[in-house]
Amino acid sequence: DGGITQSPKYLFRKEGQNVTLSCEQNLNHDAMYWYRQDPGQGLRLIYYSQIVNDFQKGDIAEGYSVSREKKESFPLTVTSAQKNPTAFYLCASEGRAWTGELFFGEGSRLTVL
Amino acid sequence: AQKVTQAQTEISVVEKEDVTLDCVYETRDTTYYLFWYKQPPSGELVFLIRRNSFDEQNEISGRYSWNFQKSTSSFNFTITASQVVDSAVYFCALRTLQKLVFGQGTRLTINP
Repeated sequence: DGGITQSPKYLFRKEGQNVTLSCEQNLNHDAMYWYRQDPGQGLRLIYYSQIVNDFQKGDIAEGYSVSREKKESFPLTVTSAQKNPTAFYLCASEGRAWTGELFFGEGSRLTVL
Repeated sequence: AQKVTQAQTEISVVEKEDVTLDCVYETRDTTYYLFWYKQPPSGELVFLIRRNSFDEQNEISGRYSWNFQKSTSSFNFTITASQVVDSAVYFCALRTLQKLVFGQGTRLTINP
């Protein structure tokens, strides 16, 4: 089935550790996005990529890094520089440019111990 | 600047009641899209509807209906005869050339 696969679903990390969240899509979409969701808040954009080997910072990129070496994959690394990393992370892809019709994964919940 | 406001943080109703979720947006762009997404407990956001700025026609899809009014910059979502399965967080979103902006979401609880 076509869709967005995020892994792991739950992740625990000690302070000071980097962690990478995986996002894979088989929808042949060019654009991919990473959002962060905190309780009672909307989705905030971390990074996005419109095409392979290119990505742009979103509204809250500090403490995060991404890569886009393949069309299907857009991994997000939460670095130790991110001061409050405990959150729910959502990856999405966009079918047609500028449509806003996003397809989301089921999310990854990161908890820093 | 683009902004989406969902003033209702949480709504709780009894099954079979009608419920309206409010969405107010701000943009200076004349061309834009508006969306509603549903986030069930599983976490994955599900696309419900898209409206472009030139199409103010209301839409009905089963028990769901959407009222787009440019004069008040609103794009409200009504669920008729609500069901327990409608319980979720609902997000309104605005897409312009510059970016896609989400509202803070409304948590809807339908009680049996």
